[in-house]
Amino acid sequence: GQNIDQPTEMTATEGAIVQINCTYQTSGFNGLFWYQQHAGEAPTFLSYNVLDGLEEKGRFSSFLSRSKGYSYLLLKELQMKDSASYLCAVMDSNYQLIWGAGTKLIIKP
Amino acid sequence: TAGITQAPTSQILAAGRSMTLRCTQDMRHNAMYWYRQDLGLGLRLIHYSNTAGTTGKGEVPDGYSVSRANTDDFPLTLASAVPSQTSVYFCASSDGGGGDEQFFGPGTRLTVL
Repeated sequence: GQNIDQPTEMTATEGAIVQINCTYQTSGFNGLFWYQQHAGEAPTFLSYNVLDGLEEKGRFSSFLSRSKGYSYLLLKELQMKDSASYLCAVMDSNYQLIWGAGTKLIIKP
Repeated sequence: TAGITQAPTSQILAAGRSMTLRCTQDMRHNAMYWYRQDLGLGLRLIHYSNTAGTTGKGEVPDGYSVSRANTDDFPLTLASAVPSQTSVYFCASSDGGGGDEQFFGPGTRLTVL
């Protein structure tokens, strides 16, 4: 079956760095997405990786290793507004997104 | 630009009643999707449409139907609602390419009693 695993909840301190991991087993692979979702709101796109390596976008970076079925989202210089859920999703062989349950990130002052 | 809109924002529905959730996008995207989001679970695909006039079943299609008469609109119908359909429903759209991000509507919170 298809499976996306990510931690349920993480806590970090304002100004610090946090890494959110995602492992996956899917039928085919056409890229991995990270989305941010604030409570009560819609998911919004953060990043897309299809090749191995690190993609950097401001304070956020995303890494992919296809051979290990592994990705992480790195958030630097954490701000209170980064408190949200972070969703990992893999595009399978049918070009459909398979979603993880999300990681709730709590930022403490 | 509105992007993608959904209506209603929330609804309480009696079991056995029918309801249509509306979704409209103004980005001229080819592909549209309906997901449900339940606590502790990832977003689950209900139905999708790769282009106007075509639809397909996702992971959890039972009890739901869709139509795609034109590019902009993608309504989701519950023919006879059951309590297990209590959820937050998100509509999304994308250009349809492999790496294209999906843009999400604000969601409809549905409670079936």
